[in-house]
Amino acid sequence: NAGVTQTPKFRILKIGQSMTLQCAQDMNHNYMYWYRQDPGMGLKLIYYSVGAGITDKGEVPNGYNVSRSTTEDFPLRLELAAPSQTSVYFCASSPGTANYGYTFGSGTRLTVV
Amino acid sequence: QKEVEQNSGPLSVPEGAIASLNCTYSDRVSQSFFWYRQYSGKSPELIMSIYSNGDKEDGRFTAQLNKASQYVSLLIRDSQPSDSATYLCAVNGAAGNKLTFGGGTRVLVKP
Repeated sequence: NAGVTQTPKFRILKIGQSMTLQCAQDMNHNYMYWYRQDPGMGLKLIYYSVGAGITDKGEVPNGYNVSRSTTEDFPLRLELAAPSQTSVYFCASSPGTANYGYTFGSGTRLTVV
Repeated sequence: QKEVEQNSGPLSVPEGAIASLNCTYSDRVSQSFFWYRQYSGKSPELIMSIYSNGDKEDGRFTAQLNKASQYVSLLIRDSQPSDSATYLCAVNGAAGNKLTFGGGTRVLVKP
């Protein structure tokens, strides 16, 4: 049972480049989330999804896009990367509402130079 | 005012002592409360959840919730060096579909 799988683990982007952070879960969880964590800080919600075809903005959505075409996958797209997007990105999932708590992926460390 | 607030620390405790962590939240109708442990360079790991007022114990960990005062706390008894980590408080608001995290409290357990 892999849980929540994130790829890549590390990436360096140049300013203006684009990329997609991949997230997949094999637990049949309906709810999925993307958070970013800046050094020494807590987690800030970027986007979340309560099921396939349904997505909603979180606290810091600017510069990002998401899609949810299947229950398993929830990719995060960065368009026109900026240094302010340098962060660690965590994907998480929950079986139902967030009352169950989350299972986190191992994270993607992104540096924009 | 931040939605979920924690003292950033570091909280330094000697091995074998009790570590006490506090968290306050602003959304009065919050439903559920969680403590996550995060080792440096790793992802958060759920260690405790609490849903009703009072205490909940799990091994060396005790979570305490007081909804009237809007705070939740975590006690770590018999602290071990392996407990050295950042502890994140997370709160599920009225909508019930996402968690808001505090900034975390860094705990250092010294042998």
